[in-house]
Amino acid sequence: DAGVIQSPRHEVTEMGQEVTLRCKPISGHDYLFWYRQTMMRGLELLIYFNNNVPIDDSGMPEDRFSAKMPNASFSTLKIQPSEPRDSAVYFCASSLRDEDTQYFGPGTRLTVL
Amino acid sequence: AQTVTQSQPEMSVQEAETVTLSCTYDTSESDYYLFWYKQPPSRQMILVIRQEAYKQQNATENRFSVNFQKAAKSFSLKISDSQLGDAAMYFCAYRSAYTGTASKLTFGTGTRLQVTL
Repeated sequence: DAGVIQSPRHEVTEMGQEVTLRCKPISGHDYLFWYRQTMMRGLELLIYFNNNVPIDDSGMPEDRFSAKMPNASFSTLKIQPSEPRDSAVYFCASSLRDEDTQYFGPGTRLTVL
Repeated sequence: AQTVTQSQPEMSVQEAETVTLSCTYDTSESDYYLFWYKQPPSRQMILVIRQEAYKQQNATENRFSVNFQKAAKSFSLKISDSQLGDAAMYFCAYRSAYTGTASKLTFGTGTRLQVTL
């Protein structure tokens, strides 16, 4: 199994630009999670999906952030417009069922200049 | 809301020795899961071990074991025969077992483990 795949691994952009992060969960997993890791706030959940449907987006910081899951094998997290305070590592994780272990992707390090 | 506390920002251990990382949590729930994740410099989050709260037996995975004290809300990780590859940031995490209420993982602030020769 390839595990959770994220792209790109690194993204450097300028303030005001649109950023799209991508995730492919483990095949067959029904749950997909987006986390953000910063020095100040640690690891925090942004949003999660069950069977492609967003269930809890209360962690999304503001309207500049949006996430979609058009099918079971692909999800995107978009930031528009990006700001320097969005600089962080963004992780995607997936699990087979709600109670199962979440497996993380390698993360995307985002730097907004 | 649940909270997870890791009171040791940094720990150091000599190769082949044993080290214990501490974690405490606060919850009013009776059924939940606890995890230890490892984050090496590659920043990949790797599951080390998982414990179900309803199980009294402590989980073990090769050189990694936990001491789960439910009444004390304590969940420490013991690494035996430490290896250089164990050097990483270790995160303790909590997850509710109640479906639909909180599928999210609540993480502690992490403990950075150094392994010396």
